[in-house]
Amino acid sequence: QSVLTQPPSASGTPGQRVTISCSGSSSNIGSNYVYWYQQLPGTAPKLLIYSNNQRPSGVPDRFSGSKSGTSASLAISGLRSEDEADYYCAAWDDSLSVVFGGGTKLTVL
Amino acid sequence: QLQLQESGPGLVKPSETLSLTCTVSGGSISSSSYYWGWIRQPPGKGLEWIGSIYYSGSTYYNPSLKSRVTISVDTSKNQFSLKLSSVTAADTAVYYCARHLIVVVPAAISGTNNWFDPWGQGTLVTVSS
Repeated sequence: QSVLTQPPSASGTPGQRVTISCSGSSSNIGSNYVYWYQQLPGTAPKLLIYSNNQRPSGVPDRFSGSKSGTSASLAISGLRSEDEADYYCAAWDDSLSVVFGGGTKLTVL
Repeated sequence: QLQLQESGPGLVKPSETLSLTCTVSGGSISSSSYYWGWIRQPPGKGLEWIGSIYYSGSTYYNPSLKSRVTISVDTSKNQFSLKLSSVTAADTAVYYCARHLIVVVPAAISGTNNWFDPWGQGTLVTVSS
C-alpha cells in the first residue's frame, strides 16, 4: 500500500492528451514539492518533473506537472508511442522520508 | 557525466544480510548538497525508498525498514553501500542507487525539495535458499 495514490493504469491514442493523478496528504504533497519519474520497460526510472512543474533538460515540453493542495497531476500532450511507460509520483514526507505513488502504467493504444 | 553502478551478490539466503555497493563515476561523492540513495522495486511492483546518506555520514532511512538497514559511505573509493539484515523473500527486488538532492525547507516557506537523478541501472537481488 503506497502512501501516495495513483490510478494503476491510463491510456490514450497518439496525439491525445492524458493526465495522471497523484493524491497524498498534508504531510507530503500538501507541504512539499512533487516529482514525477518515467520508467520505460526494462530500464531504471528517470526524473521527468521536479519541484511540481519543472522539466529537466532534455524532457519535452509535452510533459507538464501541476499541484493543488494535497494532489498533483502529470499531463502528457501530443501522446506518442514512446511515452508508453510506468509513471511514478513522489514527495518528501514531514516524517523525514521519501514517499512514492504505486505507479501508473500508461498504454498508448 | 555522472554515472552510478550497483554491484553485489544476486542471490541471498533467507535470514542473511544483503550487501550492495554503488560506485559513483564522473563526479565526487563528496559534492555538497547531494545525498546518495537506495531505492528498490519488487518484481512487477512499485518503487520503495530505502534510505539516503550524505558524504559526512548523515542519513535518512525509511521508517519501515530502519531497524534492518545500514547505509555507509567510503569517500576514498567514491562508493556508498547498503546492508539489509534478516532478509526474507519479500526483500527480493531490483535495487537501484541514485544521487539524491534533499533541501529541507519548512512548508511555511516553500517545502522540501528532493529528487533522485541520475539512477544506476539496478541490480536484481533474489532471496532464496
